[in-house]
Amino acid sequence: DTGVSQNPRHKITKRGQNVTFRCDPISEHNRLYWYRQTLGQGPEFLTYFQNEAQLEKSRLLSDRFSAERPKGSFSTLEIQRTEQGDSAMYLCASTLTLAGDEQFFGPGTRLTVL
Amino acid sequence: DQQVKQNSPSLSVQEGRISILNCDYTNSMFDYFLWYKKYPAEGPTFLISISSIKDKNEDGRFTVFLNKSAKHLSLHIVPSQPGDSAVYFCAARGGSQGNLIFGKGTKLSVKP
Repeated sequence: DTGVSQNPRHKITKRGQNVTFRCDPISEHNRLYWYRQTLGQGPEFLTYFQNEAQLEKSRLLSDRFSAERPKGSFSTLEIQRTEQGDSAMYLCASTLTLAGDEQFFGPGTRLTVL
Repeated sequence: DQQVKQNSPSLSVQEGRISILNCDYTNSMFDYFLWYKKYPAEGPTFLISISSIKDKNEDGRFTVFLNKSAKHLSLHIVPSQPGDSAVYFCAARGGSQGNLIFGKGTKLSVKP
């Protein structure tokens, strides 16, 4: 399977704990996006990487959130001191610059904060 | 302030008939629009897109129409099939880095 993969698919944690999600984009896709989707809403943009550089962050990305893409391949999204409001589906998408504008999404990681 | 709006939360259509999903936007600077389909527990799957310089794009059973003066686009599915039952999201390319702005989605149910 050469699509975007995300791990874990589900994560249940207690409030105050830290969590980390991983995204493996389609090979050679140099653009990577993180989105968050809550119930009844469409995905909302969180942050964007071109290769290893984080070029844009949404105001939704509070100080408790940090994302990395150390070698320009996979990316991680960490949430520190989780809150119940962080419960959502976290989606990763990738695309290749100059190859079209559609973004290819992974299956998402569903986070539940108790 | 929603920049991309899908005002119909749900739509029910008989198999074989046409499904029309609507989307409105507020920002005239949007230059590219996309439709995604989403099944439960899966990520969105790209369906079809249209550039703002066009008014129609067709791909098999799927056609997207863009009316720039009305800031409105629609997705036509004909004929509709039960496997088309899913949530459909309209999205616009809004950010300087290509991030997408999504509507809230329309749940399509195609009845056999």
